[in-house]
Amino acid sequence: QQQVKQSPQSLIVQKGGIPIINCAYENTAFDYFPWYQQFPGKGPALLIAIRPDVSEKKEGRFTISFNKSAKQFSLHIMDSQPGDSATYFCAASMGNQFYFGTGTSLTVIP
Amino acid sequence: NAGVTQTPKFQVLKTGQSMTLQCAQDMNHNSMYWYRQDPGMGLRLIYYSASEGTTDKGEVPNGYNVSRLNKREFSLRLESAAPSQTSVYFCASTRDRARTEAFFGQGTRLTVV
Repeated sequence: QQQVKQSPQSLIVQKGGIPIINCAYENTAFDYFPWYQQFPGKGPALLIAIRPDVSEKKEGRFTISFNKSAKQFSLHIMDSQPGDSATYFCAASMGNQFYFGTGTSLTVIP
Repeated sequence: NAGVTQTPKFQVLKTGQSMTLQCAQDMNHNSMYWYRQDPGMGLRLIYYSASEGTTDKGEVPNGYNVSRLNKREFSLRLESAAPSQTSVYFCASTRDRARTEAFFGQGTRLTVV
């Protein structure tokens, strides 16, 4: 079964909007929660990551919010730009394995 | 630095043919992974190698074999390709298992006809 559930599958926002992508997990042993960004024809690249001892992490226009009790985490993109149009994957990991969500295709309209 | 390099970038196989996907990293990473990416299914782990000399099955290992040739190289072999193995394959590496950033290659787009 899917260890990490991601929604929505796709998202369209206007330039300057704040898209939010949500992920949920069940296994409380997960101890590292990265977000990856993937452009067409390229491999995924790390965007931002958080560990469960903090509730929020911000890097530039990208913010992860982490709710340990609800077992949920989300990615917020402030002041979104057309160049942010890509597929975003959340992941959770423990030990040797990453478990990825199914991805969100984001389109930012100029 | 090249990072993670995969070859080939594209491949078409006939059902039943075999092939090996090559992966090399130049970051002195200990752990290496093979994933397949299919529409709507995210990245699914095929095999991984936590350290040189070890390999383990992931979520979808059937029909595949791997070899950790040395610390730099991790290959994926399809012994008898099937249309269900049509996918985009990604190799990745991490410095320390799944607790640190994973660096991905550019992918191999494989079509089995």
